[in-house]
Amino acid sequence: AQTVTQSQPEMSVQEAETVTLSCTYDTSESDYYLFWYKQPPSRQMILVIRQEAYKQQNATENRFSVNFQKAAKSFSLKISDSQLGDAAMYFCAYAGGTSYGKLTFGQGTILTVHP
Amino acid sequence: KAGVTQTPRYLIKTRGQQVTLSCSPISGHRSVSWYQQTPGQGLQFLFEYFSETQRNKGNFPGRFSGRQFSNSRSEMNVSTLELGDSALYLCASTPLAGSTGELFFGEGSRLTVL
Repeated sequence: AQTVTQSQPEMSVQEAETVTLSCTYDTSESDYYLFWYKQPPSRQMILVIRQEAYKQQNATENRFSVNFQKAAKSFSLKISDSQLGDAAMYFCAYAGGTSYGKLTFGQGTILTVHP
Repeated sequence: KAGVTQTPRYLIKTRGQQVTLSCSPISGHRSVSWYQQTPGQGLQFLFEYFSETQRNKGNFPGRFSGRQFSNSRSEMNVSTLELGDSALYLCASTPLAGSTGELFFGEGSRLTVL
């Protein structure tokens, strides 16, 4: 079975600074996808960034980027120029092959952004 | 395009009762998944439906069931409610064909069992 571990229950960052959220996973599959989802308080979960395992290049979406280390099974999220609106619970998630609908989530990291 | 719609948003039930939650996916999305979110267990996969067929099922007791209709709308049912079933139940949809793997989530149905 696949597992996803987020070792940081809470993180904080100053506005405009950079923060990195950690995630490790375990799988025996060769074809899979990794995601970071954001869940703001009392609002719906939205996708932040995704990474296909077969791609060596790290995904980037504006201020969000990942450091994907396949051999180490590590998938960290870097948020640059943090904004107050980035405050949320962040979940790392895994999907195997074409099982897009079946995500395995980490426990989440609560990110606080200080003005 | 309307997002994923879940009803009801909030509900309170007592132990032993049953509950049915509804989910309308984004138009054109044919896969619907359900997740349970609790402070203690986090986000756990319940089941996934595609074309009215259950594709995957999580590790939940048989009291949890679901179905999908021909218009892709989905319902999940929990029978003989227990206190531990109190949770936020999230529904998510994806088109599958041409999908990038992104799931589109609804705002959830918050169930409180007394």
